[in-house]
Amino acid sequence: AQSVSQHNHHVILSEAASLELGCNYSYGGTVNLFWYVQYPGQHLQLLLKYFSGDPLVKGIKGFEAEFIKSKFSFNLRKPSVQWSDTAEYFCAVNTGGFKTIFGAGTRLFVKA
Amino acid sequence: SQTIHQWPATLVQPVGSPLSLECTVEGTSNPNLYWYRQAAGRGLQLLFYSVGIGQISSEVPQNLSASRPQDRQFILSSKKLLLSDSGFYLCAWTPGRLQETQYFGPGTRLLVL
Repeated sequence: AQSVSQHNHHVILSEAASLELGCNYSYGGTVNLFWYVQYPGQHLQLLLKYFSGDPLVKGIKGFEAEFIKSKFSFNLRKPSVQWSDTAEYFCAVNTGGFKTIFGAGTRLFVKA
Repeated sequence: SQTIHQWPATLVQPVGSPLSLECTVEGTSNPNLYWYRQAAGRGLQLLFYSVGIGQISSEVPQNLSASRPQDRQFILSSKKLLLSDSGFYLCAWTPGRLQETQYFGPGTRLLVL
């Protein structure tokens, strides 16, 4: 069965630190990849997505993610986090149908 | 612009009571609609999805059911709630017939006592 693994359930960083959240999926075919974010008290919303083309995609608020097909990975990065990046981050994979598989989520807390 | 509504925002129900959660989408037509349950540390679990009125696909067998009586209305129901039904329920929609970005509602927090 298809699955999505997020390596860290909780991450604590200080402001200005660099961020990398790992995401691996298990599926050998073509995939659409997503990172969603849920800020405290807000709706779950799209951060960035990859469908095809340049494997390095940029999203909102300075986030980027790199699709490495050979590693089945789609890691999320940000060079310098801010207190306002405190949120829960979900990696998600769609293999072409109506169903999207979500990872368990990573809770990021940024200390001011 | 499109908006998605869910109600109620919070619900406390006794075990064995019925459940009805409602989701409506505005500003689009023929959306694909989804019900998820979000549990802490376990991500989002897809419960049901619908590609049209009266068309429901179930992903997880349990005592919940879903219905789509109108194009932009999606209802999650139960005849008898269990303690294990407690959780945070999210409705989402996507445009068109291909899976794209999902747009989520504010969610309903359900506590079964």
